[in-house]
Amino acid sequence: SQQGEEDPQALSIQEGENATMNCSYKTSINNLQWYRQNSGRGLVHLILIRSNEREKHSGRLRVTLDTSKKSSSLLITASRAADTASYFCATSMKTSYDKVIFGPGTSLSVIP
Amino acid sequence: NAGVTQTPKFRVLKTGQSMTLLCAQDMNHEYMYWYRQDPGMGLRLIHYSVGEGTTAKGEVPDGYNVSRLKKQNFLLGLESAAPSQTSVYFCASSHREKLFFGSGTQLSVL
Repeated sequence: SQQGEEDPQALSIQEGENATMNCSYKTSINNLQWYRQNSGRGLVHLILIRSNEREKHSGRLRVTLDTSKKSSSLLITASRAADTASYFCATSMKTSYDKVIFGPGTSLSVIP
Repeated sequence: NAGVTQTPKFRVLKTGQSMTLLCAQDMNHEYMYWYRQDPGMGLRLIHYSVGEGTTAKGEVPDGYNVSRLKKQNFLLGLESAAPSQTSVYFCASSHREKLFFGSGTQLSVL
């Protein structure tokens, strides 16, 4: 089974609203990353957070990590129509840090 | 600077045929990965490599073989294609733990 699971599977919001996506994982991690995929394209790296970090920011993105709950969240503030995409979390486990395992993703639709 | 290049972009195979997907990166990255993406299942790791001459199994390695004879190339082979291998295949290389993806190969097995 997959290491990471995103929630919700799909999210639809109005432009200007904030979007929050969650990721849960099963085993201890080395780091957790978030990626974005526009329809039919390859994935693009957004942000990486290490297991000893609790929060990171990058522009309109905010990622939190709670290792006690084995979960992470991605917040996109002031969403734009161009943020419409699928978002995936990916984990690198402590016991096998070379492997990068992806969750099933959250499909985000931002309505203009 | 092309990044990660996958060839071919599209391919249709008949059941039982074989083929090789090529991934090439020009960023001198050590780590390379092959994933498959199916609707609703995200990306699943097939095989990966941590350097020239090395390969390792991922989550779904059965039915696939790989080779990393040169640092810049990572080949994914299907020995006897099955309809269950119909998918979009993505290659990625890694630098400082961040993955850089190719644009994908859409494979249909009839």
